[in-house]
Amino acid sequence: KQEVTQIPAALSVPEGENLVLNCSFTDSAIYNLQWFRQDPGKGLTSLLLIQSSQREQTSGRLNASLDKSSGRSTLYIAASQPGDSATYLCANTGRRALTFGSGTRLQVQP
Amino acid sequence: EPEVTQTPSHQVTQMGQEVILRCVPISNHLYFYWYRQILGQKVEFLVSFYNNEISEKSEIFDDQFSVERPDGSNFTLKIRSTKLEDSAMYFCASTLSGGFAYEQYFGPGTRLTVT
Repeated sequence: KQEVTQIPAALSVPEGENLVLNCSFTDSAIYNLQWFRQDPGKGLTSLLLIQSSQREQTSGRLNASLDKSSGRSTLYIAASQPGDSATYLCANTGRRALTFGSGTRLQVQP
Repeated sequence: EPEVTQTPSHQVTQMGQEVILRCVPISNHLYFYWYRQILGQKVEFLVSFYNNEISEKSEIFDDQFSVERPDGSNFTLKIRSTKLEDSAMYFCASTLSGGFAYEQYFGPGTRLTVT
């Protein structure tokens, strides 16, 4: 059974810092890995999708990497802003639909 | 930009009642999904739907749940006899094609409260 773990569970940083969120998964037979943002009480906004044949994807200040052999993905956020405060979820598709991690709750202090 | 929409945003119902949650996927998408998130817990897969039939379902999706695409735009999740533990956010998602190889787009969710 696919398990997805995210570390840390919560993170508080001052504005302007670069930061890394971690995601690990147990089944290396994934199709893709998707990072989402969730604001309190809201839906899921897709940030980046990395297909299993890719190693990284970039969108603006966000960069996501994928290392299937070690079962890890990271989301790098450059020059963090207070508007980045949210919960960040990673999810992968193995032999079923998306399996989600429990998320990292990020607070960027102005 | 096209988006997945869901109605209602919040539904309150009494235990044992039937509820129908509605979703309008992105118009050219072919695969549809329902997920749920119990407060404080992970987002969990319920069911996927393609070509007017269920393609996969999780252990959560038991006989009290059903899905339907009644017309060319709507995708519904029905819970026949709600239980207290069905209280959760329910998210609809869709993908363009190819099942899990493509980015999934999520709706804003319906918060279901069972009293």
